[in-house]
Amino acid sequence: DAGITQSPRHKVTETGTPVTLRCHQTENHRYMYWYRQDPGHGLRLIHYSYGVKDTDKGEVSDGYSVSRSKTEDFLLTLESATSSQTSVYFCAITGTGNTEAFFGQGTRLTVV
Amino acid sequence: GESVGLHLPTLSVQEGDNSIINCAYSNSASDYFIWYKQESGKGPQFIIDIRSNMDKRQGQRVTVLLNKTVKHLSLQIAATQPGDSAVYFCAENGYNFNKFYFGSGTKLNVKP
Repeated sequence: DAGITQSPRHKVTETGTPVTLRCHQTENHRYMYWYRQDPGHGLRLIHYSYGVKDTDKGEVSDGYSVSRSKTEDFLLTLESATSSQTSVYFCAITGTGNTEAFFGQGTRLTVV
Repeated sequence: GESVGLHLPTLSVQEGDNSIINCAYSNSASDYFIWYKQESGKGPQFIIDIRSNMDKRQGQRVTVLLNKTVKHLSLQIAATQPGDSAVYFCAENGYNFNKFYFGSGTKLNVKP
């Protein structure tokens, strides 16, 4: 398995609270991604990073922010969680060049 | 965003039979395609990939076929086994290098 660790693996939070999910990699890969997975929608890209402090929006970025201060860490923050953000969140990494993405084990987030 | 879709949400096959999972994509500029397998509670795992300069690629018990004329991708699994039961996703990198778009997934049920 690729060296990707997501934390926490499970979280329940209240509406309106801030939440930060962490993705840590040991592969020194350049590209990192945050996806959310919901029934009927597959995997949808939230944000991605192409280097330290270099990030860009994906297709469902509203309500989310990211930061990448080190190569190995990519943080996803929900500034004020809403019930619509209840989902399973996956982090992925790829190296330079057109290669496959490797995924973490996912974080199940429930906003009540 | 990109449109990557799957024809059948659920596919049931008998153990030992061959399985075919289909996927359509919309961006004719896509040049890299991947099939992922996702087991319950886990992140997607890479199965096989194919680049746009190829029509067919074979792996261990799996074959991916690419028809660029009709923008169609398929995954063939030979001698399907119970361990193949999972959700299968196709993904393509679209026009934006290193930015992957996923289909909604097909659930494969293997009957003993």
